[in-house]
Amino acid sequence: AQSVTQPDIHITVSEGASLELRCNYSYGATPYLFWYVQSPGQGLQLLLKYFSGDTLVQGIKGFEAEFKRSQSSFNLRKPSVHWSDAAEYFCAVGAGQAGTALIFGKGTTLSVSS
Amino acid sequence: DTAVSQTPKYLVTQMGNDKSIKCEQNLGHDTMYWYKQDSKKFLKIMFSYNNKELIINETVPNRFSPKSPDKAHLNLHINSLELGDSAVYFCASRSGVGNQPQHFGDGTRLSIL
Repeated sequence: AQSVTQPDIHITVSEGASLELRCNYSYGATPYLFWYVQSPGQGLQLLLKYFSGDTLVQGIKGFEAEFKRSQSSFNLRKPSVHWSDAAEYFCAVGAGQAGTALIFGKGTTLSVSS
Repeated sequence: DTAVSQTPKYLVTQMGNDKSIKCEQNLGHDTMYWYKQDSKKFLKIMFSYNNKELIINETVPNRFSPKSPDKAHLNLHINSLELGDSAVYFCASRSGVGNQPQHFGDGTRLSIL
């Protein structure tokens, strides 16, 4: 069965420090992978996506993620965290067909300390 | 120029009532979804419509009935509300052409008293 695991429930990072959020997926075919961010009381905003090609993808707000097929991982990184990055981060996997739903991980809460 | 808009943003009501949540997208997408986010922030698909046709109907109580009057709208009607229905409901849409991500609304927070 398809699934997404985000091993870290809560991470605290100092402002200016680097960040890596982990995501592992289980999917039979070539996965389409996404990272979304949810600020308190807000909807989900797409940070970046991977469909094919270059395994290092760049997203908005200075985020990047690397797809590693051998490890079934799609970890999110940012070299220098800003206080405004504090939010809930969701990794998701989906198929390309219209109508297919996303399968989400349980999310990682990021706190940023000054 | 909100791409995916949901109304209302907050909905507080009593057990046993019937309520509806509306969703509209102005992106020209032909696929729309309803997701439920529980109190632990876990997101799970409820329904998916493609060109007004039901594609996905997860194990959801039949008290929940989606309706898509046209490609730009997907409404969610809930009968006989129960305490366990308290959650945030998100609408999303996606283009059926090519590899496109889903775009989400800001959610409707439903609280059952």
